[in-house]
Amino acid sequence: NAGVTQTPKFRVLKTGQSMTLLCAQDMNHEYMYWYRQDPGMGLRLIHYSVGEGTTAKGEVPDGYNVSRLKKQNFLLGLESAAPSQTSVYFCASSYADGGTETSGGPYNEQFFGPGTRLTVL
Amino acid sequence: AQTVTQSQPEMSVQEAETVTLSCTYDTSESDYYLFWYKQPPSRQMILVIRQEAYKQQNATENRFSVNFQKAAKSFSLKISDSQLGDAAMYFCAYRSTPHNFGNEKLTFGTGTRLTIIP
Repeated sequence: NAGVTQTPKFRVLKTGQSMTLLCAQDMNHEYMYWYRQDPGMGLRLIHYSVGEGTTAKGEVPDGYNVSRLKKQNFLLGLESAAPSQTSVYFCASSYADGGTETSGGPYNEQFFGPGTRLTVL
Repeated sequence: AQTVTQSQPEMSVQEAETVTLSCTYDTSESDYYLFWYKQPPSRQMILVIRQEAYKQQNATENRFSVNFQKAAKSFSLKISDSQLGDAAMYFCAYRSTPHNFGNEKLTFGTGTRLTIIP
């Protein structure tokens, strides 16, 4: 059981380049999230998904796109990278709300991946 | 929108002593959940403890306990018998009741860096 994994762990891009970050989870979680972490600002939600084929915007969605074609994967895309997107990106997943105590409970504890450090020059 | 404030960017404590990290939040909701996450140098976010707003009893997990003051919108974390492995960034987080779609996200504070002095 690997939990939540992220690929790649590090990446350096030039302004204008594109890339996709991959998040995978093997816990059969319904919900998945992408956050970015910047110094002094905590974690901010970019996009999230409550099920396969569904996505929704979070707090800071501009410049990013996401897709959830498979339940276990959540992709974060940067079509034209900008220096302002230099950050550490975290993926998280959780059970759906309304579950039982054995399936995460009525609240959803989010399990986080190890992060991807992205630098845009 | 809810906000979470951690007013202590850095804290330090002697090994084996007790330390309290502060967190306040702003919300108009009556039902919600609060969390403390730990982020060690490895960057992995780890859930430390959680509190349901409808529960009056403060949550405890071994050496970790909270002081939840709902009226004051305060949610502090107490770490007893501090250990070197407790050194990390600690984030307070808020989430709304799960009963409405769109409330699944966590709102994080800016974090407190805890240093353990041997």
